[in-house]
Amino acid sequence: DSGVTQTPKHLITATGQRVTLRCSPRSGDLSVYWYQQSLDQGLQFLIQYYNGEERAKGNILERFSAQQFPDLHSELNLSSLELGDSALYFCASSVYGLPHLTDTQYFGPGTRLTVL
Amino acid sequence: DAKTTQPNSMESNEEEPVHLPCNHSTISGTDYIHWYRQLPSQGPEYVIHGLTSNVNNRMASLAIAEDRKSSTLILHRATLRDAAVYYCILSPPDGNKLVFGAGTILRVKS
Repeated sequence: DSGVTQTPKHLITATGQRVTLRCSPRSGDLSVYWYQQSLDQGLQFLIQYYNGEERAKGNILERFSAQQFPDLHSELNLSSLELGDSALYFCASSVYGLPHLTDTQYFGPGTRLTVL
Repeated sequence: DAKTTQPNSMESNEEEPVHLPCNHSTISGTDYIHWYRQLPSQGPEYVIHGLTSNVNNRMASLAIAEDRKSSTLILHRATLRDAAVYYCILSPPDGNKLVFGAGTILRVKS
């Protein structure tokens, strides 16, 4: 158990809908990261938040957005869903997540999103 | 982002050592070498990381070449539970995002 929790475990929805994935980081961790894992693209970094502020952005679509709240939990919002958005979404957390300060990331169990 | 090259798959017998290689010829002086693994149906899990010197922890050892252009993850006694995809990742200079490649699928035979 990494200490990172993600809800829900599974989500099935229809194209065009909007969903929210939730992540609670390990106690004391300030950074939260979101990754997407699909069969054709592998594991891809989406976005990082550090202490409430967006810190780094990867291949995140404009239809996707995230935020980190004062209690440090994070939500990933996916809207106008398409079939291709079906994937595993992982959240990770680390103590810092700052440049030149190497840091271990602890991953949650993931949310499996199926878009029908 | 600096690139790593790993074999697609490897096979090992249970209770035997496993050496998982990684090439990273374009590594920069400030890049750390990280290893994560992903067991079936789970999120990635940290294994070990290093900069220049060899590193040991309770899970594995990391041997880093003197020129840092390659490294080897060593599992001293493979168990069935070690069957996973192993990712060798270089930390980028501008932050802590992890750039995952295809990794090496490790199969462990009993």
